[in-house]
Amino acid sequence: NAGVTQTPKFQVLKTGQSMTLQCAQDMNHEYMSWYRQDPGMGLRLIHYSVGAGITDQGEVPNGYNVSRSTTEDFPLRLLSAAPSQTSVYFCASSLRQAPLSDTQYFGPGTRLTVL
Amino acid sequence: AQSVAQPEDQVNVAEGNPLTVKCTYSVSGNPYLFWYVQYPNRGLQFLLKYITGDNLVKGSYGFEAEFNKSQTSFHLKKPSALVSDSALYFCAVRDVISSGSARQLTFGSGTQLTVLP
Repeated sequence: NAGVTQTPKFQVLKTGQSMTLQCAQDMNHEYMSWYRQDPGMGLRLIHYSVGAGITDQGEVPNGYNVSRSTTEDFPLRLLSAAPSQTSVYFCASSLRQAPLSDTQYFGPGTRLTVL
Repeated sequence: AQSVAQPEDQVNVAEGNPLTVKCTYSVSGNPYLFWYVQYPNRGLQFLLKYITGDNLVKGSYGFEAEFNKSQTSFHLKKPSALVSDSALYFCAVRDVISSGSARQLTFGSGTQLTVLP
């Protein structure tokens, strides 16, 4: 199993540009999520999905869209990039949304810089 | 609302000495508690978790954590630190009785552990 994969690893955007961060998992996990990591702030949840066709907002959803058309893929879209979105983005998955004790598996991250 | 605090941004310890990385939490009900480690330029890796039962939880790479309900703490420990343990450590919590987006993991701000040779 490749686990959780993310592309690209690095990306530089100009303000106002759009892009999609890709995330895929091959573990048949129901639950997938996107986090952003900023210095001194830990990881903050952007959006999550408990299964194909179901998505919901996390703590910091503004400026981001997601969709879950398949179990394997969970792309994150930035519609109009802003410098405040400069961050490291992590995708994660776990087998089930419930029970709550499930361990999350993280991808390697995408480092995004918005100029 | 659930929250996690890691009071130390940085912990330095000499190789061979015991290490402790502190974590306190706040939940309405009972907690599920996790520790993750992040090596440079890598994603987070699961170390251990407390669900129920024995308050001392053993995890990967010789790490363990002690759940203390009265002090609402879940400190990460290792009896003898290695230079290779140097990394960023995150504590995380879920509230057992939460619903909706609150059922998601809440992470602390992270503690940078440096083990000095």
